[in-house]
Amino acid sequence: QSALTQPASVSGSPGQSITISCTGTSSDVGSYDLVSWYQQYPGKAPKLMIYEVNKRPSGVPNRFSGSKSGDTASLTISGLQAEDDADYYCCSYGGSSIPYVFGTGTKVTVL
Amino acid sequence: QVQLVESGGGVVQPGRSLRLSCAASGFTFSSHAMHWVRQAPGTGPEWVAVIAFDGSNRYYRDSVKGRFTISRDNSKNTIFLQMNSLRAEDTAVFYCAGGPLWAPEYWGQGALVIVSS
Repeated sequence: QSALTQPASVSGSPGQSITISCTGTSSDVGSYDLVSWYQQYPGKAPKLMIYEVNKRPSGVPNRFSGSKSGDTASLTISGLQAEDDADYYCCSYGGSSIPYVFGTGTKVTVL
Repeated sequence: QVQLVESGGGVVQPGRSLRLSCAASGFTFSSHAMHWVRQAPGTGPEWVAVIAFDGSNRYYRDSVKGRFTISRDNSKNTIFLQMNSLRAEDTAVFYCAGGPLWAPEYWGQGALVIVSS
């Protein structure tokens, strides 16, 4: 099972909006509304930001939103802030053979 | 508050074994599936294994099947990962994770496993 494909890096200025894509296949992202997004700072554990495509856990700012179209899921960060400078990983259900497939990761840089 | 604390990491020679533990608190541990996720240096997370809330079902990624075993003790709010026949490519920070959602919400701080001669 291959990792989901994400752009290596995305950047934006404070206040701007950015979107990170996560491309899978019809066997994972395209077949299930079980896509999640994690934020990770260096040396820290991942933090769940979005689950089930577009739901936010308690405490996650509404600047973070998720969507999906076909085999591609997206994470949008609106009103970019300095603390959003981190790595972001998508994750999808991959079927019974490999329930969880992570993306390749995207480094978000706030300019 | 929710806490997951891993232990048991260290340096081990190829072919040897290691057992990781993860003690949970602050949530209804016995009601939720729990996972092990690893992250090799400079790479993204990689899901390793999951165990159902009651231990009745367990799933593994292909590369660890037959070598790793996930288990849990709900009386002690603890999960384990028995790792045998370790390889250099198993070198990573191992996180335990879980919670009520399909996507693991709670994560530990990680335990570093280095497989090297």
